[in-house]
Amino acid sequence: NAGVTQTPKFQVLKTGQSMTLQCAQDMNHNSMYWYRQDPGMGLRLIYYSASEGTTDKGEVPNGYNVSRLNKREFSLRLESAAPSQTSVYFCASSGGQKGNYEQYFGPGTRLTVT
Amino acid sequence: SQKIEQNSEALNIQEGKTATLTCNYTNYSPAYLQWYRQDPGRGPVFLLLIRENEKEKRKERLKVTFDTTLKQSLFHITASQPADSATYLCALPENQAGTALIFGKGTTLSVSS
Repeated sequence: NAGVTQTPKFQVLKTGQSMTLQCAQDMNHNSMYWYRQDPGMGLRLIYYSASEGTTDKGEVPNGYNVSRLNKREFSLRLESAAPSQTSVYFCASSGGQKGNYEQYFGPGTRLTVT
Repeated sequence: SQKIEQNSEALNIQEGKTATLTCNYTNYSPAYLQWYRQDPGRGPVFLLLIRENEKEKRKERLKVTFDTTLKQSLFHITASQPADSATYLCALPENQAGTALIFGKGTTLSVSS
């Protein structure tokens, strides 16, 4: 099992460009999450999907959109990138059922917006 | 809204000693609390979950306590080793019992030999 995979690993964008970060999990988990991690700010939740077909905003959703494509895949889109979106982005998944709350994280995408 | 404080950004200890990390929260008591380990350049890795009705949980050299009166969890690593050096994150559900988490900023532990 690969667990949680993320693509790309690194990306450099110019201000105003768009891109989609891809995430997939092979653990048959119901819930998936997108976080960003910045120095001094810790991990902050952007969006999550508690189950296939649903998405909800987290703490810092502005400037992002998400799509839960199917049970395995959850993508994060930046429509018009800004330097403030320079960060490390982590995708995670969890069983989502009562009692299965631990999250499994991907390796991260390091995004720089110039 | 819930806030989490991990009140030491960095903790330096000698090999063989017990490391104790603190996580305090400010608002509602969560149904559970989790601890994660993060190594540089990698995603967090789940370590332990403790539920609100559990006072203590152990896993090998790790021990977590949960005091809902104090609104605090303590994370202990006994007989610490240099390989335990990492950042440790505390996490709570975004709402009282949901699956989405909010994370503390972490405590970076350095164990010297």
